[in-house]
Amino acid sequence: GAGVSQTPSNKVTEKGKYVELRCDPISGHTALYWYRQSLGQGPEFLIYFQGTGAADDSGLPNDRFFAVRPEGSVSTLKIQRTERGDSAVYLCASSPIGGGLAFFGQGTRLTVV
Amino acid sequence: GQQLNQSPQSMFIQEGEDVSMNCTSSSIFNTWLWYKQEPGEGPVLLIALYKAGELTSNGRLTAQFGITRKDSFLNISASIPSDVGIYFCAGQSSDQTGANNLFFGTGTRLTVIP
Repeated sequence: GAGVSQTPSNKVTEKGKYVELRCDPISGHTALYWYRQSLGQGPEFLIYFQGTGAADDSGLPNDRFFAVRPEGSVSTLKIQRTERGDSAVYLCASSPIGGGLAFFGQGTRLTVV
Repeated sequence: GQQLNQSPQSMFIQEGEDVSMNCTSSSIFNTWLWYKQEPGEGPVLLIALYKAGELTSNGRLTAQFGITRKDSFLNISASIPSDVGIYFCAGQSSDQTGANNLFFGTGTRLTVIP
């Protein structure tokens, strides 16, 4: 596609539920990043994919968070047993070669009530 | 993750003034990127820097990659109201596996007074 697409744009869920957030990167981009952004803060790194594999998942806060990219294109961020503290904007970015020029989607605003 | 500190945290300036903000890190980076973010939007890439000492311009924006590779600055000349937003620096480095992670600064919130 023309840009990075994230769906849904907004998600409201109840505490304890499971959610999936989707990212469609720019076509041909091999690197894909997930970030979490709280109000007034900079994007906080979660996980980085190079192709299908997670090159660095050190930013995932705990084992309730998991991300996949099975075919090296679309990625899904999965959050189990959501907590109110998970409420944030989840941003996805993709890059053509894993170096520089990372372009972001609009983000998914997750609200856990 | 790695810590990138931006200063100032916020700026209030008159339209037409020049703006300067910087970003420092305790780690060395191979690439510096500058982004602008407006409410409800994802960060938009403004400038990319790939070499220590490099000075790059994009319209009224000029950015430099510090010689130590641990800092970068962004200047905006002749500010206009649409420059309002939060500006983020981001540093990228390769680890032992060759992965290129990208870490963000704390942001500088710019307000331009017409």
